[in-house]
Amino acid sequence: QVQLVQSGAELKKPGASLRVSCKASGYTFTAYYMHWVRQAPGQGLEWMGIINPSSGSTAYAQKFQGRVTMTGDTSTSTVYMELSSLRSEDTAMYYCGREAGSVDYWGQGTLVTVSS
Amino acid sequence: QAGLTQPPSVSEDLRQTATLTCTGNSNNVGNQGAAWLQQHQGHPPKLVSYRNDNRPSGISERFSASRSGNTASLTITGLQPEDEADYYCSAWDSSLSAWVFGGGTKLTVL
Repeated sequence: QVQLVQSGAELKKPGASLRVSCKASGYTFTAYYMHWVRQAPGQGLEWMGIINPSSGSTAYAQKFQGRVTMTGDTSTSTVYMELSSLRSEDTAMYYCGREAGSVDYWGQGTLVTVSS
Repeated sequence: QAGLTQPPSVSEDLRQTATLTCTGNSNNVGNQGAAWLQQHQGHPPKLVSYRNDNRPSGISERFSASRSGNTASLTITGLQPEDEADYYCSAWDSSLSAWVFGGGTKLTVL
């Protein structure tokens, strides 16, 4: 069965960088794009970007341009999302999600807390 | 970036029908159609409809979606307690080259 398993919760200081992983299984990793979406506490969903794991090509939301990098490792069927220059407003649950017409499978989420 | 517009809350009685709406524009809902996500507190979102009226495997037939122009709708019939959740619409915006979301509708089943 399709599974997306994300890395564990993170506590970061302002100004630090973050890397969240999302390991896929149960399907052909390179056949589906992967989204990254975040959700601040009590807030709605916010799209961060998308990666084609086959080619490595990416598209980022304008808000995160210059601060986010998405990469993929086909040898481990894992995608990564790196976010730099963290600030308190980046405190959120971060999700990866497989693109198949829309996001049909989601990771369990990674809680990121940015606090001094 | 511009998002889609959803009413913040909708309340309906048990076993009745709820209709949730989502308004976008010709670059998103009116072009690519909308998807609907259900999210229970503390859980990841779950896809309940995509490309306007396609239902993923395992989703109840009580969930149906449609689109008229730039407005998408999700109709839930025979409301059950477990339908109480936040519902988000989403669509690819071709002018922004970005996936956009609505602000979410909290559905309360009375």
